[in-house]
Amino acid sequence: AQSVTQLGSHVSVSEGALVLLRCNYSSSVPPYLFWYVQYPNQGLQLLLKYTTGATLVKGINGFEAEFKKSETSFHLTKPSAHMSDAAEYFCAVIPYNQGGKLIFGQGTELSVKP
Amino acid sequence: GAGVSQSPRYKVTKRGQDVTLRCDPISSHATLYWYQQALGQGPEFLTYFNYEAQPDKSGLPSDRFSAERPEGSISTLTIQRTEQRDSAMYRCASSPSGSHTDTQYFGPGTRLTVL
Repeated sequence: AQSVTQLGSHVSVSEGALVLLRCNYSSSVPPYLFWYVQYPNQGLQLLLKYTTGATLVKGINGFEAEFKKSETSFHLTKPSAHMSDAAEYFCAVIPYNQGGKLIFGQGTELSVKP
Repeated sequence: GAGVSQSPRYKVTKRGQDVTLRCDPISSHATLYWYQQALGQGPEFLTYFNYEAQPDKSGLPSDRFSAERPEGSISTLTIQRTEQRDSAMYRCASSPSGSHTDTQYFGPGTRLTVL
């Protein structure tokens, strides 16, 4: 069965530092790939998604992710962290040809230190 | 509506009681999903609807769980004879057409606690 692994349940960075949140999926057929963010007491919000085309995807709030088929990865990055980026981030996939149901990783909580 | 809404936001119940959770999707959206999120985990798929039809119930943990969407808009998720292991955040999402590439828009969730 398809699975999603996020390395690190908690990541801490300093304000202005690079943010790197790792995500790997298990599938021989590339799925559709998503990153969602959850701020406290709010619903999940889409950051970005990869379906087809360019493998470097830009999202909201300065985040981007690169789909690397050879590494089965879809890591999320942001060049310079802001205090407002503190939240929980979820990587998710929709397996090819299996309807629209999302399969999520376990999440990574990002803390940003002043 | 402007976004996906869910009610109640918080529900505390005693073991053995039945509970019903409600989801009001974005009004133009054909597809509605239910997910269960245990503490410290990512959401897990329960079921989904295309209008009134329910093509996939594979994620429902047991026959105590059921969902309906009788008029193709508002949906309810009912858990009968609740157990402590049912304690979780229940999330609803809707999307325009259910396509793989659609964005799913999530509601704020219902936090269920079973004592």
